[in-house]
Amino acid sequence: NAGVTQTPKFHILKIGQSMTLQCTQDMNHNYMYWYRQDPGMGLKLIYYSVGAGITDKGEVPNGYNVSRSTTEDFPLRLELAAPSQTSVYFCASSYDREDSPLHFGNGTRLTVT
Amino acid sequence: DAKTTQPNSMESNEEEPVHLPCNHSTISGTDYIHWYRQLPSQGPEYVIHGLTSNVNNRMASLAIAEDRKSSTLILHRATLRDAAVYYCILRDGDSSYKLIFGSGTRLLVRP
Repeated sequence: NAGVTQTPKFHILKIGQSMTLQCTQDMNHNYMYWYRQDPGMGLKLIYYSVGAGITDKGEVPNGYNVSRSTTEDFPLRLELAAPSQTSVYFCASSYDREDSPLHFGNGTRLTVT
Repeated sequence: DAKTTQPNSMESNEEEPVHLPCNHSTISGTDYIHWYRQLPSQGPEYVIHGLTSNVNNRMASLAIAEDRKSSTLILHRATLRDAAVYYCILRDGDSSYKLIFGSGTRLLVRP
């Protein structure tokens, strides 16, 4: 049981390039989330999904896109990367109950230069 | 979304108990109180949650005020490994999918 797996662990991106951060979970969770965390700051919700085919914006969605074609996978796409997107990105998942804890991946550290 | 308020930082000595407070004066009847912690260079990890009654698990205890407007995470004997940022968040039954984290409390543990 791997839990939530994120790839890559680290990446350096040039300004204007695009890339996809991968997230997959093997717990059959309906809910999945993408957060970003800037140095010394708390987590900000980028996008979330309540099930396959359903996604919605969080607090800071600009510059990102997501898709949820399967229950397991929730990739985050960065289009036209900017230095402001330098951050650590965390994917999380949970059951669709208010007493269900979130399970987090180990994060992707992204630098845009 | 109901908000939580936590002190920015707290300090404790190793082997002593730690009480981490959280105010949530706008909590609704269906909101669960969740606590997570984030160790340096790691993703957040679940600690404990509760609705109305006090809760205990192997990591910590959660004390919830009778009016539910505040709660306290209790680490019974702090260790150096407990040095982390602790987040208190509310998860409600109507929109349990949308979880907003605050800034949390940074706990420093002195040897």
